[in-house]
Amino acid sequence: AQSVTQLDSQVPVFEEAPVELRCNYSSSVSVYLFWYVQYPNQGLQLLLKYLSGSTLVESINGFEAEFNKSQTSFHLRKPSVHISDTAEYFCAVSVPSNDYKLSFGAGTTVTVRA
Amino acid sequence: DVKVTQSSRYLVKRTGEKVFLECVQDMDHENMFWYRQDPGLGLRLIYFSYDVKMKEKGDIPEGYSVSREKKERFSLILESASTNQTSMYLCASSQYRGPNYGYTFGSGTRLTVV
Repeated sequence: AQSVTQLDSQVPVFEEAPVELRCNYSSSVSVYLFWYVQYPNQGLQLLLKYLSGSTLVESINGFEAEFNKSQTSFHLRKPSVHISDTAEYFCAVSVPSNDYKLSFGAGTTVTVRA
Repeated sequence: DVKVTQSSRYLVKRTGEKVFLECVQDMDHENMFWYRQDPGLGLRLIYFSYDVKMKEKGDIPEGYSVSREKKERFSLILESASTNQTSMYLCASSQYRGPNYGYTFGSGTRLTVV
């Protein structure tokens, strides 16, 4: 069975500073990896995903994540955060043996301060 | 704009009550899911459905049941609500099974059982 570990539950960061959210997964088979974001009082939205090809994937709002197979990681980064990036971020994995259903990590709360 | 609508944003119910959480999607999606979200635990899958009148247990089905009589509607039922079912409940849908088919989430129902 696959599992997802998000190594930080809370990440406070100042505006315009960089941020990295760590995600590690365990699976004996090939995986598909996702980052979702949940803004206050909203549902989850897909931020970016890795399916195949280039190991570096980017979102439209400046986030990027790199798939590292040897480290079994999919860390999320942004070089300069805004107040509006305050949210909870979830890493998720899907595998063919589980019908591609999403399995989520515990989440990382990012709080951006001025 | 595609939508997953959860009928209630906040609910307060008494222990022992039968509780219905409703979810409707307008995208003609095949698959629908119910998750509960708890701090430090992330999202955990309760039940899912790949077709009308079809349902399968997720990771934590105890104390819950579901109904899918129409393609667009997926209801979560708490037969006898208990305080440990106080949580945020998220409904999601996807068009088909597969990593290319992302999940669309509703805004959630925050249920408090007193």
